[in-house]
Amino acid sequence: EPEVTQTPSHQVTQMGQEVILRCVPISNHLYFYWYRQILGQKVEFLVSFYNNEISEKSEIFDDQFSVERPDGSNFTLKIRSTKLEDSAMYFCASRDYQISYEQYFGPGTRLTVT
Amino acid sequence: ILNVEQSPQSLHVQEGDSTNFTCSFPSSNFYALHWYRWETAKSPEALFVMTLNGDEKKKGRISATLNTKEGYSYLYIKGSQPEDSATYLCALTGTASKLTFGTGTRLQVTL
Repeated sequence: EPEVTQTPSHQVTQMGQEVILRCVPISNHLYFYWYRQILGQKVEFLVSFYNNEISEKSEIFDDQFSVERPDGSNFTLKIRSTKLEDSAMYFCASRDYQISYEQYFGPGTRLTVT
Repeated sequence: ILNVEQSPQSLHVQEGDSTNFTCSFPSSNFYALHWYRWETAKSPEALFVMTLNGDEKKKGRISATLNTKEGYSYLYIKGSQPEDSATYLCALTGTASKLTFGTGTRLQVTL
């Protein structure tokens, strides 16, 4: 069964460093998302991406964040200058826009900023 | 801002017990209600997507109901097994396609 994959599973970085989180969505899906969960809090929406552009973003998704679909298969989230409060589990999801509302999630990348 | 609430926050039951959780949400701007099952270190697994008031869905021992007029959904597990131990997440699709999540209900089933 097709699945969403994410790499790495765990990333440790120092404050101020750039990180890139990678996702491979399900191949025929058209809509892509990033969510995150800070420990003890709700899963929260960051950004959605459709037709090679951002379709919606949350207040969290400021100028330090960017997304890209560089090669038609990968979907990346870049944080330019990480802060301690960026430490969280980051989830990628994808959706077959034509069929249903259902979003399929990857296993997440745990980002730890020290 | 959509506010999705789940209760209880955590639940500890014995094998064989039946249990249920609640998800409540604002009934305006409703498009779909999702239930996910999430085990640590795994992908959240989609259980159900429901869109119509009165919807009832079932997958094995797990079922869910939806009331969009009063803004709630119930998830039922019949005859809980240790492998049902997980966090159960409720999420709402509103006018945008993003998901707005509740806090989750953490279920632990012991022998």
